[in-house]
Amino acid sequence: DTEVTQTPKHLVMGMTNKKSLKCEQHMGHRAMYWYKQKAKKPPELMFVYSYEKLSINESVPSRFSPECPNSSLLNLHLHALQPEDSALYLCASSQVENTEAFFGQGTRLTVV
Amino acid sequence: QKEVEQNSGPLSVPEGAIASLNCTYSDRGSQSFFWYRQYSGKSPELIMSIYSNGDKEDGRFTAQLNKASQYVSLLIRDSQPSDSATYLCAVTGNSNTGNQFYFGTGTSLTVIP
Repeated sequence: DTEVTQTPKHLVMGMTNKKSLKCEQHMGHRAMYWYKQKAKKPPELMFVYSYEKLSINESVPSRFSPECPNSSLLNLHLHALQPEDSALYLCASSQVENTEAFFGQGTRLTVV
Repeated sequence: QKEVEQNSGPLSVPEGAIASLNCTYSDRGSQSFFWYRQYSGKSPELIMSIYSNGDKEDGRFTAQLNKASQYVSLLIRDSQPSDSATYLCAVTGNSNTGNQFYFGTGTSLTVIP
């Protein structure tokens, strides 16, 4: 089983809204990732959690706030987003660092 | 961000031909290398992983790694129309940085029936 589940699949939110993206895996992976992908561009790394601790923050604006409540869950809290934040948000997990990462199906986010 | 470069394409090959996809990376300490396939509107799907110099074969796919040249490639034999997608090279960080997982710019492949 290499399943990473992301919810919701689609999200439309206003610039004053607060919403959260959720990601779950039950493969026992200890590294989890958030990526942002714009159309016709590669995924862009945002955050990495390793053993439930934030290990990498790629200078992402504070309107994106990650959270890793336990080893199976990863959240991305969204607040005061801009229209240019509209993108596909991808969650991935890997067993440990530098190993194969498996992606969820993504959340298509539209900010209006 | 680490630099991972790919020929953006588009690359077109006839059905049954060999498609060759290339990737170079800047961090000499990178340890792990992956190829992902991404269909339009879908998430990346892992095709191959390679960790040491040389070739690794899996069905119609062969990954080649040359760490001295900082180069990794993917060959797709007997290409099928269903192989038409964007192929992403991914590279992880070195033993000091770890957990960094960066993608190349992607190569769009079209297999013509």
